[in-house]
Amino acid sequence: DVKVTQSSRYLVKRTGEKVFLECVQDMDHENMFWYRQDPGLGLRLIYFSYDVKMKEKGDIPEGYSVSREKKERFSLILESASTNQTSMYLCASSPTGRNRYEQFFGPGTRLTVL
Amino acid sequence: QKEVEQDPGPLSVPEGAIVSLNCTYSNSAFQYFMWYRQYSRKGPELLMYTYSSGNKEDGRFTAQVDKSSKYISLFIRDSQPSDSATYLCAMGLGGFQKLVFGTGTRLLVSP
Repeated sequence: DVKVTQSSRYLVKRTGEKVFLECVQDMDHENMFWYRQDPGLGLRLIYFSYDVKMKEKGDIPEGYSVSREKKERFSLILESASTNQTSMYLCASSPTGRNRYEQFFGPGTRLTVL
Repeated sequence: QKEVEQDPGPLSVPEGAIVSLNCTYSNSAFQYFMWYRQYSRKGPELLMYTYSSGNKEDGRFTAQVDKSSKYISLFIRDSQPSDSATYLCAMGLGGFQKLVFGTGTRLLVSP
């Protein structure tokens, strides 16, 4: 059974803290994505990576950075957490080729910044 | 104007009803069309995937794409309470891996 796992289901942090969200996939997928999901706004792409050490900005990259040192792992970093980054964060992965749009999602991390 | 528009619902139907979920889009370059289902407190899971125009059927689910009208639909026949979830449409451009998602429609199927 294919799997995308995320390090935490729920996380509470304080304003100004550095926050790490980790995502691991076991499908040998080249592409990995980080989204945030907010009511009324849907899924918005923060960053994606199409290969190890490669990254591309999505639609809302401000306040975030990413790291992909290994193919199976994609980390999202909030350098200095702010209350407007309280959200559900979803990681996804997809293969290359004709199935590249088939994104497999993790269960999500609900982050609250106080 | 958003690239992809989707009615947020909720859409409430009785068990056994035929459900129609819809999205409209503005970018005529979209070529790949997907429907994801998301249960509460879970990540989205891919339900249907179509390329270009036409219909695709999988069990009780039928996905329809009308590129001339920039309109896609998901039909659910004989709806079940287990179909209660949020349904997200998503679209991709040829040559790129990125998807643009609708905001999702919440469906409630009552027994």
